[in-house]
Amino acid sequence: AQRVTQPEKLLSVFKGAPVELKCNYSYSGSPELFWYVQYSRQRLQLLLRHISRESIKGFTADLNKGETSFHLKKPFAQEEDSAMYYCALSGQAGNQFYFGTGTSLTVIP
Amino acid sequence: KAGVTQTPRYLIKTRGQQVTLSCSPISGHRSVSWYQQTPGQGLQFLFEYFSETQRNKGNFPGRFSGRQFSNSRSEMNVSTLELGDSALYLCASSLAPGLGYEQYFGPGTRLTVT
Repeated sequence: AQRVTQPEKLLSVFKGAPVELKCNYSYSGSPELFWYVQYSRQRLQLLLRHISRESIKGFTADLNKGETSFHLKKPFAQEEDSAMYYCALSGQAGNQFYFGTGTSLTVIP
Repeated sequence: KAGVTQTPRYLIKTRGQQVTLSCSPISGHRSVSWYQQTPGQGLQFLFEYFSETQRNKGNFPGRFSGRQFSNSRSEMNVSTLELGDSALYLCASSLAPGLGYEQYFGPGTRLTVT
């Protein structure tokens, strides 16, 4: 069965410290992995996708098929990174997304 | 370009009633997906429509249904409401189905069932 697990509901880090938000998945096939972010009072929006292999706002995520993980990392956290982060996967066929339950990140000044 | 709009933004209904939620996608977007968001379950996929056809459906009972019109606007209907249907219902639109197209989310409709 398809499943996305984000083990941390809450995560607090100090400004300037590295941050890693964990995401593990199970999927029978080759999934596409995404990170979505929701800032306070804003809509859910795409942060990055693994197929793009790009860094957005200093965040990167590497797909590790062996460990079935797609952790989100940033070397130096900023206060504006405080938000809710969702890991999601989709199969190759279409827009049926499976979301994790989210991690609320707080960056302490 | 205007974003995805959802109406109404807030709704209070009683158990047993039915409700219809509306989603207007970004102009030019033809794919619309619906999600239910609750504190315990997070975001769960309901269904996806493209060109007035349901392409994918999540694991929800038949009380949840939807449709898409020729102008790509979509509605979802929940019949015989239960307390557990209280949630934020999110709509997302994209140019077309497929992973090459980014989904843009609406603000959601907050449904409370009493």
